[in-house]
Amino acid sequence: DSGVTQTPKHLITATGQRVTLRCSPRSGDLSVYWYQQSLDQGLQFLIQYYNGEERAKGNILERFSAQQFPDLHSELNLSSLELGDSALYFCASSVGTTHAGNTIYFGEGSWLTVV
Amino acid sequence: AQKITQTQPGMFVQEKEAVTLDCTYDTSDPSYGLFWYKQPSSGEMIFLIYQGSYDQQNATEGRYSLNFQKARKSANLVISASQLGDSAMYFCAIAPQGAQKLVFGQGTRLTINP
Repeated sequence: DSGVTQTPKHLITATGQRVTLRCSPRSGDLSVYWYQQSLDQGLQFLIQYYNGEERAKGNILERFSAQQFPDLHSELNLSSLELGDSALYFCASSVGTTHAGNTIYFGEGSWLTVV
Repeated sequence: AQKITQTQPGMFVQEKEAVTLDCTYDTSDPSYGLFWYKQPSSGEMIFLIYQGSYDQQNATEGRYSLNFQKARKSANLVISASQLGDSAMYFCAIAPQGAQKLVFGQGTRLTINP
């Protein structure tokens, strides 16, 4: 158990819909990262938050957004869903803002299927 | 930009044998970290081992060790005395100093045969 909690574990939804994925980081970790894993793209970094502020952005679509709340949990919002958004979405957390010796721990992922 | 190359899409190893999973990387950053993760069929991403670019010694964590050759830009994972439960996808990743994101390789699927 990595200590990073993600919900829901599985989600099936229709095209055009909106979903929210939730993540609770490890106790004491201030950084939260979101990654997408798909068969064609592999593991792609989406976005990072540190202590409530956005710190880095990767290949995140405009239809996607995220935020980190004062209690440090984070949510990834996916809207106007398309079939190609079907993927495993990971949340990860670390103590600091960069790897700098910090280990980055991943949650179990949220499987999203868009039909 | 950073890049990770894992040249072995699949490997088959007999139980109890040692196995080496290859990872080469490309970065122009002087300081960086290298990570290995295991992903079993259940999908979770499990952290295995970390190596900093300025670490003098190769990292070890139980049965896992990292053969770090900085000049060759390689960071191979060595699993000693493999077990059936080691069957999984293995990902190598790099995070340069000052950057927040991990860049992953395509992974190696390891199958341990009894």
